[in-house]
Amino acid sequence: DAKTTQPPSMDCAEGRAANLPCNHSTISGNEYVYWYRQIHSQGPQYIIHGLKNNETNEMASLIITEDRKSSTLILPHATLRDTAVYYCIVRVADYGGSQGNLIFGKGTKLSVKP
Amino acid sequence: DVKVTQSSRYLVKRTGEKVFLECVQDMDHENMFWYRQDPGLGLRLIYFSYDVKMKEKGDIPEGYSVSREKKERFSLILESASTNQTSMYLCASSSTGTLAKNIQYFGAGTRLSVL
Repeated sequence: DAKTTQPPSMDCAEGRAANLPCNHSTISGNEYVYWYRQIHSQGPQYIIHGLKNNETNEMASLIITEDRKSSTLILPHATLRDTAVYYCIVRVADYGGSQGNLIFGKGTKLSVKP
Repeated sequence: DVKVTQSSRYLVKRTGEKVFLECVQDMDHENMFWYRQDPGLGLRLIYFSYDVKMKEKGDIPEGYSVSREKKERFSLILESASTNQTSMYLCASSSTGTLAKNIQYFGAGTRLSVL
């Protein structure tokens, strides 16, 4: 799997957009970008995923650069409840067997401040 | 709404005890996973199941076993708990659809302390 690089921490003011970057310069053509987050003392939560087009859902938007070497997760109006560790994961979609496990790196600790 | 339920949020056990961690999902998912999460080590896969009665070892299966008698339930068993098994245990499930394989839904976690 392609390696990802994320800043260890970021701050964001409440109500402002939070833009979380992820570098994945060795991504392969069949690898997707997935984002999860983990709020303190809870299990990880799936946010969004994409291949090459930008994606949006009720939680966030995912912007993937044209060369696919980096992406940005956007939380359009961050709230205090968005304070969490955000993980960017690059994976081939179709994994079978125990290779289907997700490999979480260190992620970005996002602190949303009032 | 998708739901993965772990039987306990916090558990305290003594060394040598047999410990059962239960996980139930209501999404009719084929795949279920047990991870443990430790500071600085991230999530590590213990066991995986892709069908009833089927299981595969993950990266750190030693000291653990699992049981999947029904599709919705996946149990993690610590045969003889040891202090180095003190950790946060996370259960997850996913569907077998191509993209859906990597969309895993997690429970809230069980924080196990072995004294």
